[in-house]
Amino acid sequence: DVKVTQSSRYLVKRTGEKVFLECVQDMDHENMFWYRQDPGLGLRLIYFSYDVKMKEKGDIPEGYSVSREKKERFSLILESASTNQTSMYLCASTRQGHWLGYGYTFGSGTRLTVV
Amino acid sequence: GQQLNQSPQSMFIQEGEDVSMNCTSSSIFNTWLWYKQDPGEGPVLLIALYKAGELTSNGRLTAQFGITRKDSFLNISASIPSDVGIYFCAGQVIIQGAQKLVFGQGTRLTINP
Repeated sequence: DVKVTQSSRYLVKRTGEKVFLECVQDMDHENMFWYRQDPGLGLRLIYFSYDVKMKEKGDIPEGYSVSREKKERFSLILESASTNQTSMYLCASTRQGHWLGYGYTFGSGTRLTVV
Repeated sequence: GQQLNQSPQSMFIQEGEDVSMNCTSSSIFNTWLWYKQDPGEGPVLLIALYKAGELTSNGRLTAQFGITRKDSFLNISASIPSDVGIYFCAGQVIIQGAQKLVFGQGTRLTINP
């Protein structure tokens, strides 16, 4: 089974800190995604990448950036963390292809608290 | 962008009851997916629907892809305690060759034994 691993389950950071959230997948998937999950809002797409060094903005990219230097790793960066970025962050991956229906495989999430 | 409206947002039921939840959108999707998220975990795919009008079952779960391609429902029959969690619908689109999912707000299911 494909595995998507997020390096931290829980993080507590201070306002203004630079924060890195790491995600690694082991099935050679081309596409990787970062979502944040908030109660009542569901999952909202922050950024996605369909190839190494490629990135596309999702629906809520403000305050975030990403890095994809290797195919298996997709990093989410909070340049200067703020309290409104306290949330659950979910990474996902899927293989490339125009045939629909693979869905995504998700990591277990990183719960970030910014104080 | 596309949005999905999922309802209800929460449900409190007795063990053994049937559950129904649905998603609607103003946009057309080519694939509908239903995910379940257990506490402390990421969402896991339950059912994928590929054709308008399609009705698919997976054990006690049944889901349908609406004929207009703008809606879907998920039913759970004879609920059990392990059904507790958050259920998400998702519609799939292709943007620049990447499969992108648009998610509903989620339905939180709580079961009283």
